[in-house]
Amino acid sequence: LAKTTQPISMDSYEGQEVNITCSHNNIATNDYITWYQQFPSQGPRFIIQGYKTKVTNEVASLFIPADRKSSTLSLPRVSLSDTAVYYCLVGDSNQGGKLIFGQGTELSVKP
Amino acid sequence: DAGVIQSPRHEVTEMGQEVTLRCKPISGHDYLFWYRQTMMRGLELLIYFNNNVPIDDSGMPEDRFSAKMPNASFSTLKIQPSEPRDSAVYFCASSLTSGRRYEQYFGPGTRLTVT
Repeated sequence: LAKTTQPISMDSYEGQEVNITCSHNNIATNDYITWYQQFPSQGPRFIIQGYKTKVTNEVASLFIPADRKSSTLSLPRVSLSDTAVYYCLVGDSNQGGKLIFGQGTELSVKP
Repeated sequence: DAGVIQSPRHEVTEMGQEVTLRCKPISGHDYLFWYRQTMMRGLELLIYFNNNVPIDDSGMPEDRFSAKMPNASFSTLKIQPSEPRDSAVYFCASSLTSGRRYEQYFGPGTRLTVT
């Protein structure tokens, strides 16, 4: 089965910019790409969503190339409180557009 | 708004027993999703509803699992009979969606342990 693929873990320091990339080769044509943040013992929380090019909100930016086969979540100037697991979510065209979460990237921010 | 409400928050049961998980979506949302999260398989979509109608249940593991949404403010996920491999955190999420643009709001989850 096609997958959405993310790095398992990343380390960073406070104040740095962090970029997390998700590969989704079989993204469904009409689907948006959505990123979520999850803290331990909580449900995932919506961060940002986009269809193509670049989207920016108050917490993150999302970069999507023209072929939409990947996307990069950018977190500017991370703090300790950004330590969490980050997931991408897309529809898989090989599975009838079924929503598939990536396996998650565990981000650890150090002082 | 109270957000998505799930109950119970924790459930411990013995193999073979029936388990019912409950979800109240955010008022006005027209989509409801049920997910399961485990260390081995990550977050998996089990089933989702649009306007109380099941749209895709291809993620439901087997016939022991069933889900209903009798009205816009309530959904249940039932496991009968339960097995130890069903132990996981089950999340309910809801969204107000246009096309394939899902901005889902998740509940706190139900941690199910089957012994």
